[in-house]
Amino acid sequence: ETGVTQSPTHLIKTRGQQVTLRCSSQSGHNTVSWYQQALGQGPQFIFQYYREEENGRGNFPPRFSGLQFPNYSSELNVNALELDDSALYLCASSRTSGRAGDTQYFGPGTRLTVL
Amino acid sequence: GQQVMQIPQYQHVQEGEDFTTYCNSSTTLSNIQWYKQRPGGHPVFLIQLVKSGEVKKQKRLTFQFGEAKKNSSLHITATQTTDVGTYFCAGPPGGNAGNMLTFGGGTRLMVKP
Repeated sequence: ETGVTQSPTHLIKTRGQQVTLRCSSQSGHNTVSWYQQALGQGPQFIFQYYREEENGRGNFPPRFSGLQFPNYSSELNVNALELDDSALYLCASSRTSGRAGDTQYFGPGTRLTVL
Repeated sequence: GQQVMQIPQYQHVQEGEDFTTYCNSSTTLSNIQWYKQRPGGHPVFLIQLVKSGEVKKQKRLTFQFGEAKKNSSLHITATQTTDVGTYFCAGPPGGNAGNMLTFGGGTRLMVKP
């Protein structure tokens, strides 16, 4: 177990709706990254938060947004859901120390289905 | 943008046979990380390689990082049914010491008992 938790475990939404996914990072970790993993594919980087600010973003539209809180937990918000948003959403926490390749610890993920 | 490719996409082996997956990046990587994802699970960190030409071993698993820091491999000796899962390589682009990982598509390993 990594100590990274995500909620909810599963979620079903319809097109056009909005969704909020939550992640609690491992104790002592100050960085949270979010990934989208479509079925049969590798995770794709959405964005990363470090000390409550967005620290980098992948190739995702602005309707994907996030927050990080003072306790380093994080939310991923997706507006105007589309069918292609159906995927496993993973958060990963790490302690950014400035050295190359801080280890990331993934949570169990939230399985989002958009109908 | 950076692309990370893995081959093969799938591999079926008989228990006891060896297995190798290869990872190639379109750009130089500051480090390469390997993850294993069991069916229905989430990626679990296996190892990180940082130095050019680095080789690391974990029991039956051997990881290599290429001299140019653009390719890597994972070799499993004498596979067991517990090795079943998808193996991903991932890395941040060279010069980026952060954790904005680009993942390969993964190699799904199936082991027949």
